[in-house]
Amino acid sequence: EPEVTQTPSHQVTQMGQEVILRCVPISNHLYFYWYRQILGQKVEFLVSFYNNEISEKSEIFDDQFSVERPDGSNFTLKIRSTKLEDSAMYFCASSPTGDNSPLHFGNGTRLTVT
Amino acid sequence: AQSVTQLGSHVSVSEGALVLLRCNYSSSVPPYLFWYVQYPNQGLQLLLKYTSAATLVKGINGFEAEFKKSETSFHLTKPSAHMSDAAEYFCAVSPGGGAQKLVFGQGTRLTINP
Repeated sequence: EPEVTQTPSHQVTQMGQEVILRCVPISNHLYFYWYRQILGQKVEFLVSFYNNEISEKSEIFDDQFSVERPDGSNFTLKIRSTKLEDSAMYFCASSPTGDNSPLHFGNGTRLTVT
Repeated sequence: AQSVTQLGSHVSVSEGALVLLRCNYSSSVPPYLFWYVQYPNQGLQLLLKYTSAATLVKGINGFEAEFKKSETSFHLTKPSAHMSDAAEYFCAVSPGGGAQKLVFGQGTRLTINP
């Protein structure tokens, strides 16, 4: 069964450094998402992406964050200048359509900012 | 605005016993409701979803949930727990339409005692 893959599984970076988290969504899906979960807190929506542009973003997704679909298969999340509070598990997801179609999540990338 | 409250961050049941995980939601529009499960070191996997059709929804692995509008609840049940059900369970709500901006509950960790 097709699945969403995320790399790396664990990323350690120093405060102020740029980091890029990578995702390969399921190939025929049209909607792509990033969610994050800070340790001990809820899973939070960051951004959705459709038709090569951001369709919705949360208040968390400020100017330090950006997303890109550089080719036909990858979907990336970039954090320009990481802060300690960016430490979290970041989940990529995709869905075939919007509305009520279920999201397929990757296994996540654990980002640790030191 | 939408929100989800899961009662009980940790639930422990004996193998073969009834599993009941509670979820209450708040939504200003007719909601779509979901239960996701997360096994250790894996991503979130859809268990079941409610999308305004039948109020009793059956999912994978013998789980089901009932949408009760009067109680704003969407509790997850399974008649007989199995050791493999041990995982973290997340209830989520979405307003639907276009990209899915899921709002998650804080999660309930289910432990199964032999």
